[in-house]
Amino acid sequence: KNEVEQSPQNLTAQEGEFITINCSYSVGISALHWLQQHPGGGIVSLFMLSSGKKKHGRLIATINIQEKHSSLHITASHPRDSAVYICAVSRLGGADGLTFGKGTHLIIQP
Amino acid sequence: NAGVTQTPKFQVLKTGQSMTLQCAQDMNHNSMYWYRQDPGMGLRLIYYSASEGTTDKGEVPNGYNVSRLNKREFSLRLESAAPSQTSVYFCASGGRAGELFFGEGSRLTVL
Repeated sequence: KNEVEQSPQNLTAQEGEFITINCSYSVGISALHWLQQHPGGGIVSLFMLSSGKKKHGRLIATINIQEKHSSLHITASHPRDSAVYICAVSRLGGADGLTFGKGTHLIIQP
Repeated sequence: NAGVTQTPKFQVLKTGQSMTLQCAQDMNHNSMYWYRQDPGMGLRLIYYSASEGTTDKGEVPNGYNVSRLNKREFSLRLESAAPSQTSVYFCASGGRAGELFFGEGSRLTVL
């Protein structure tokens, strides 16, 4: 079983819809990261959080430490939000970077 | 603000050839990483360097070597490329707060 599991693997939605991507993890963590990767592009960090909720524009990330679960929400989705969204965790005591989920491929249709 | 710069962006090799992927960061980070990304596998750690002068194996180190030349630069070398090393390679550096900054990626094809 992977230490970081994301769902769904693929998601297609219409422009304007509210999007939720889920991430569950099975290890102790110091932080959870949400990353974005556009087709053929690099990887950028959207959020790093260790508790509660963070908001940036139309993106909201939440984490429940007790349940070992995080969600990434996109409000008023737009075709430019089409990308792969990757959940990753910094393991407690780990010096070897992040442990990654396999990503959620999101397509927003106009 | 260059951030993390990796070269080359694209490379085609024949089986058995060698090559080095270069990575440099200008954020004065201690930690640097090399990952490979394959379809359906997610990002997997090849090697990392927690500080200048140190390197450690990650999840998939076989067939690779690394050099932490100085604080800025961390290179990845394939001594004898194999088709299984066809992948997209990402270099990253890590700040004190734990956030990672990624390069643009290097797409390698081994024929």
